[in-house]
Formats: sequence, C-alpha cells, structure tokens
Amino acid sequence: GAGVSQSPRYKVAKRGQDVALRCDPISGHVSLFWYQQALGQGPEFLTYFQNEAQLDKSGLPSDRFFAERPEGSVSTLKIQRTQQEDSAVYLCASSRSGGRWGEQYFGPGTRLTVT
Amino acid sequence: DQQVKQNSPSLSVQEGRISILNCDYTNSMFDYFLWYKKYPAEGPTFLISISSIKDKNEDGRFTVFLNKSAKHLSLHIVPSQPGDSAVYFCAASAGGSEKLVFGKGTKLTVNP
Repeated sequence: GAGVSQSPRYKVAKRGQDVALRCDPISGHVSLFWYQQALGQGPEFLTYFQNEAQLDKSGLPSDRFFAERPEGSVSTLKIQRTQQEDSAVYLCASSRSGGRWGEQYFGPGTRLTVT
Repeated sequence: DQQVKQNSPSLSVQEGRISILNCDYTNSMFDYFLWYKKYPAEGPTFLISISSIKDKNEDGRFTVFLNKSAKHLSLHIVPSQPGDSAVYFCAASAGGSEKLVFGKGTKLTVNP
C-alpha cells in the first residue's frame, strides 16, 4: 500500500522567501508528526496533530513556522521569511492510532536549502 | 542538552557476526523506546520497540535490551547482513506523549 508521501522532495529558497511543504499521510492514520533533521543530527520534533487538532507545537523553533491539517489528512508545514538556519530535511510521519504505542511511519522528507 | 545519546557515530562489523548498537538516555520519564533504520534519501523505518515494563524484546534477528537502572538500551543484530548497512536511530518517548526524541544515529557498515 501507499506510504507517507512528501512534496516537493527538494526545495531551494532564497533567504526571505516563504515555503510550503506538503505531507500526505497513510490513509486512515490519525496522528501526524513533523520533524526537522539537520545534517549529522537525528530528527527533532516540531509539531503533532491528532486528526485536525494540533496537540503539540512545542518544537516549532519560531513564529515563522506554522503547520496545519485542516481536514485531518493532508498537512502543510509553512516557513515564512526563510533563514539559512532553516536548511534541513523536514520529515513527516503518521501513525495509526491516537495511542502512544503505535509506530510512526516516515515519509522520505523534503530537503530544504536556503541560499 | 541531548536527552538521547548514541555515542558511537559509526560501527563496522563482518557479515555473519553480531552488531551491537548502544543508546543512553538521561530523562527518567522516558518509558517507551524504539529503534529506526534509515537508508540514504529515505525516511526512517521502524525496526523494533520496547516499553519500560520489559527488559528484552526480540523480533527475528533483532533484539533490544533495556537496562532502566543504567538508563541504557542496546540493539543486537544477529547475524549481521550487508543489507543491514544503514544509519540506526534510537528514539524515546515519555509518559502519555507520542512525541519521539531521537539520538544522533550510528552508521552501521556490514562488510561481506
């Protein structure tokens, strides 16, 4: 079956531009997560949705970062006025249930390069 | 401050031998632990998990051991195969939260 898909796979933005990154989770998965992975680091939590409700956004690094999941399926991570330190791979993951014992399935990520 | 630490950036083993990947954590609230495997240009894929009520979980060639008093877990792969060559991430979550905290990863190379 289809896994988690993300688009675009690669994005180059000039400093100051706004970007939007899309995540299509596995159909029927309740929970959706965004992580940021800098070069040589592990993924770092950004935000979490259960259906359309954003339950935790404690990892968003600044108010330039905004995520939404209006209909409880597809999610968009938006970064306004991009800075060089935003360059990273942005990973989306989904899990089957709202419970915490479910494994998270990751997409391939979007590599953002800010020049 | 790194709450999940993988102190070995890389590990190299011979095919057929045992691979042991280590992970330490500092947050005593962590009660669920997972290992993910990642190939280049792909997202991490789930391997195996363990809750804090257990000290061992086995799935085929993969076994995870948890030592709560030492705040240490390890992943054993026996026998190692060249296809196991990847970056392995240790991750943890704390009571009631689905949010995962990851280590920096260990790159495993299994030589034929």
